[in-house]
Amino acid sequence: AAGVIQSPRHLIKEKRETATLKCYPIPRHDTVYWYQQGPGQDPQFLISFYEKMQSDKGSIPDRFSAQQFSDYHSELNMSSLELGDSALYFCASSLRDRPTDTQYFGPGTRLTVL
Amino acid sequence: DAKTTQPPSMDCAEGRAANLPCNHSTISGNEYVYWYRQIHSQGPQYIIHGLKNNETNEMASLIITEDRKSSTLILPHATLRDTAVYYCIVMGDNAGNMLTFGGGTRLMVKP
Repeated sequence: AAGVIQSPRHLIKEKRETATLKCYPIPRHDTVYWYQQGPGQDPQFLISFYEKMQSDKGSIPDRFSAQQFSDYHSELNMSSLELGDSALYFCASSLRDRPTDTQYFGPGTRLTVL
Repeated sequence: DAKTTQPPSMDCAEGRAANLPCNHSTISGNEYVYWYRQIHSQGPQYIIHGLKNNETNEMASLIITEDRKSSTLILPHATLRDTAVYYCIVMGDNAGNMLTFGGGTRLMVKP
């Protein structure tokens, strides 16, 4: 079965540079979530989109922005990168179908900021 | 969403059943219990979820107590590939809720 695709898988950037992470959800899924996982930490929710509209917002820095496009893929844009942004970034997708909403995760993008 | 409490670590012998407990004493009537696992640095993997009845799928069984204040995830025949951090997450029935990962249980399956 098709899974969530994330690209790139690895990214190395310098401080103050920008980065763009991409997420392609499972076909027919309409909701995308972004999570950040720092070294030795649990994944933390950043932001989510449903039908191309922002749905919920977590602890996402103002330097980060994201959007969901008409084909439902999503991009996380990160500017003025800091050393502390080095982390694994996971995207998850779901088909919003009450009452439950099972999220399926991609393999992640490992961002290293030097 | 209700807070969950899990033991930080557990060991299990290969081939034996792994029983992972979770306390969620403040769970509300419309909140589901979800289990995910994360194998080292991979994306979290959905395992199973339930509301009040016991559930079983090809990966595991979920036993929820009658008062819904605790649950147990059972991996019937643990293998080395089941070594991972297991997260018990309580989530409401508002579709679109984010997952709140907290602590989890690090399960080590040993030969």
